[in-house]
Amino acid sequence: QKEVEQNSGPLSVPEGAIASLNCTYSDRGSQSFFWYRQYSGKSPELIMFIYSNGDKEDGRFTAQLNKASQYVSLLIRDSQPSDSATYLCAVSQGGGGADGLTFGKGTHLIIQP
Amino acid sequence: DAGVIQSPRHEVTEMGQEVTLRCKPISGHNSLFWYRQTMMRGLELLIYFNNNVPIDDSGMPEDRFSAKMPNASFSTLKIQPSEPRDSAVYFCASSLRKTGNTDTQYFGPGTRLTVL
Repeated sequence: QKEVEQNSGPLSVPEGAIASLNCTYSDRGSQSFFWYRQYSGKSPELIMFIYSNGDKEDGRFTAQLNKASQYVSLLIRDSQPSDSATYLCAVSQGGGGADGLTFGKGTHLIIQP
Repeated sequence: DAGVIQSPRHEVTEMGQEVTLRCKPISGHNSLFWYRQTMMRGLELLIYFNNNVPIDDSGMPEDRFSAKMPNASFSTLKIQPSEPRDSAVYFCASSLRKTGNTDTQYFGPGTRLTVL
């Protein structure tokens, strides 16, 4: 049974600070890792993906992957109130996310002005 | 460009009735995914298709659920008979499967199903 675990939160972070979101996964065969953002009542939208161990940066977002520890994280720098949402971690056995995704239940992030 | 289109957006039905959810993927995409989201279980993959062929339906909860993709621009998810525990938001997503590229899945707006 493939599992993806996230702390449900809510995680409250002051505006301008760094928000740190974490995720662990059970399937060592997982190859692709994704972070989706979901606003209340809306559909998930992709923020970042990462395949290799280490860090990957895209603007204010940094994804970190440690396959040995089966751990993925997302850092959001200079947090803005518009970042308040639920963040979903997802993994795929297929390269590039070609297969269906296994999602965590998400972390609810609140950025306090 | 139109995104993934789902219909209906909201569906309220009574237990025992047949429910059909519809999805039109993004034009040119060749992979289609059906997910279900509830508070208790989160977002779960039900089934996905590549080039209109079902690849993995292990997430389909019971025989009451069936999905078809008769052509590249249309898919249906049918529940017959429906039960209150089927109440959820059902998302359709599509992607362009290309070797060496990231197959970003684009989600539709979802169908909120309520079974009374």
